[in-house]
Amino acid sequence: SQQGEEDPQALSIQEGENATMNCSYKTSINNLQWYRQNSGRGLVHLILIRSNEREKHSGRLRVTLDTSKKSSSLLITASRAADTASYFCATDLYYNQGGKLIFGQGTELSVKP
Amino acid sequence: GAGVSQSPSNKVTEKGKDVELRCDPISGHTALYWYRQSLGQGLEFLIYFQGNSAPDKSGLPSDRFSAERTGGSVSTLTIQRTQQEDSAVYLCASSFSQGAYFGGYTFGSGTRLTVV
Repeated sequence: SQQGEEDPQALSIQEGENATMNCSYKTSINNLQWYRQNSGRGLVHLILIRSNEREKHSGRLRVTLDTSKKSSSLLITASRAADTASYFCATDLYYNQGGKLIFGQGTELSVKP
Repeated sequence: GAGVSQSPSNKVTEKGKDVELRCDPISGHTALYWYRQSLGQGLEFLIYFQGNSAPDKSGLPSDRFSAERTGGSVSTLTIQRTQQEDSAVYLCASSFSQGAYFGGYTFGSGTRLTVV
């Protein structure tokens, strides 16, 4: 079964609107990370939130983590057409000391100008 | 180097042939990871190297897949007797540290493998 599951699978919004993506996971984690992927190639690390943190900001990005519900959300405010990409959450599992990340299936975001 | 470098960027091979994919991580990064991504799917973990420790091979899908990392730097992923289901983008990533100080991966641009 998937460690990280994201919803929605696809999201289409207008430029200037906010985009919210959610990620749920099953087992305890050290941290949770969000990545962005353009055109099916390499992923870019966006933000990391540790298990003892509840919220984190980076520019127009806001990430929340609820360890009791085993869920996280990524909010992109004032979206731009250039934000169009696939977004993945990834979990660094608690029992794993090696930093091996388990990725979700991703949310495909389309921002229309 | 400035980033994680993968080569080739694209590879088309005939079914049954062997292929080698190369990854050159960021200098000083102790950990190196291989993932693969089929069209429209998430990332599937393949193998992980950390320093001089034995690699975590738990994600390799069959014994046709192997990887090595020489001198703690460059890694080669080898697929023997390729099958059509091996067609995917193979992504390499490296990171500086692990555990509580883990700061995330830097990915290469991937190798798109097509088996015909």
